[in-house]
Amino acid sequence: QVQLVQSGAEMKEPGASVKVSCKASGYTFTNNDINWVRQAAGQGLEWMGWTNPNSGNRGYAQKFQGRVTMTTDTSISTAYMELRSLTSEDTAVYYCARGRSDSSGHSYSYYFDYWGQGALVTVSS
Amino acid sequence: SYEVTQSSSVSVSPGQTASITCSGDRLGDKYAYWYQQKPGQSPMLVIYEDNKRPSGIPERFSGSNSGNTATLTISGTQAMDEADYYCQAWDSSTVMFGGGTKLTVL
Repeated sequence: QVQLVQSGAEMKEPGASVKVSCKASGYTFTNNDINWVRQAAGQGLEWMGWTNPNSGNRGYAQKFQGRVTMTTDTSISTAYMELRSLTSEDTAVYYCARGRSDSSGHSYSYYFDYWGQGALVTVSS
Repeated sequence: SYEVTQSSSVSVSPGQTASITCSGDRLGDKYAYWYQQKPGQSPMLVIYEDNKRPSGIPERFSGSNSGNTATLTISGTQAMDEADYYCQAWDSSTVMFGGGTKLTVL
């Protein structure tokens, strides 16, 4: 069965960086994008970007451009999300999610069919 | 940039039909997706490509999308359906989520 298992909770000081990992199993890792979505306490879902393990291509939401890097290590089927220059506004649960795409319909289809369990990142001095 | 919006809350009595809407400019020209999130859990896909149910999702969950509005319908709502529901769309290589709708079953 498909599983995405993320690294544990992190506590960081303002200005620091955090790197969250997401280990995939149960499918061919290079067949799907890995996306990152975050959720602050009591708030909604916020998409951060995607990375393709096969091509190495990636795309980031404009809000995070210049501050985030998403990478993959295909040898261990693991994706990483590094966020730099942390502030208290970055305190949130960070999820990885497998992307599914299909271009055969009336419009391009892109959604998330499996999610990791989430990793809480707390930014505090 | 493209945006989708949801009402913040919906209430329904057990056994009744709940309708949760998601609005966006010409949303019907795109696909809409719906995720369910219960407290302390990760989101779970319940509807994809407007009206398709992933394996394991009960038949009481259905979806539609036309014009500017996508709708998630839960027929015969059960207490276990109480959760936050998020719509999602894709446009110009960007994913956007609605703000979420809290479904209360009372």
